[in-house]
Amino acid sequence: GDSVTQMEGPVTLSEEAFLTINCTYTATGYPSLFWYVQYPGEGLQLLLKATKADDKGSNKGFEATYRKETTSFHLEKGSVQVSDSAVYFCALSGDGGYNKLIFGAGTRLAVHP
Amino acid sequence: DTAVSQTPKYLVTQMGNDKSIKCEQNLGHDTMYWYKQDSKKFLKIMFSYNNKELIINETVPNRFSPKSPDKAHLNLHINSLELGDSAVYFCASSQQPSDSPLHFGNGTRLTVT
Repeated sequence: GDSVTQMEGPVTLSEEAFLTINCTYTATGYPSLFWYVQYPGEGLQLLLKATKADDKGSNKGFEATYRKETTSFHLEKGSVQVSDSAVYFCALSGDGGYNKLIFGAGTRLAVHP
Repeated sequence: DTAVSQTPKYLVTQMGNDKSIKCEQNLGHDTMYWYKQDSKKFLKIMFSYNNKELIINETVPNRFSPKSPDKAHLNLHINSLELGDSAVYFCASSQQPSDSPLHFGNGTRLTVT
């Protein structure tokens, strides 16, 4: 079945450092890909998405490119802030339609001043 | 205005009890979901309803019974609670088509003692 694999955390960075969180997927067909973010004590929020190969999703300085040849959707940000500290989830829209999202295990990011 | 609201925020109960979690969305979405997040932050879909009709039912024990009185509400009833049911339960909603983003509530932390 479809699945998502993310790099294990926690990822600890200093403010203004470059961020990469790796995400690879296994899927039949052509899923849409997403990054969600979860701040402490809150639900998940959509950060960005890409719906087809070579699409780049971007939001709040974060970017991810849908790479079909490497089945990857790595999240990047050029300069992180303390306020970016959260858990980041990579996800794909699974088979069977009806928006069945399949999530990776999440990667915790801690940014220090 | 809260888009997806769930109550209660915290729920502490003893093994064997029956409890319910309520969810309401005011976004006009057609589809609602229940996700379970375990202690390692892993998120897994449990159920989904589209216009009050059950469309996704993962391998969840039949002690869990979702109920959707209308398309703005999706409640989760759990019978005979077990220690392993302790988790954070998230309600979410979305509009179709399949790559539309999910909007999550802030979660209900269930602790079974």
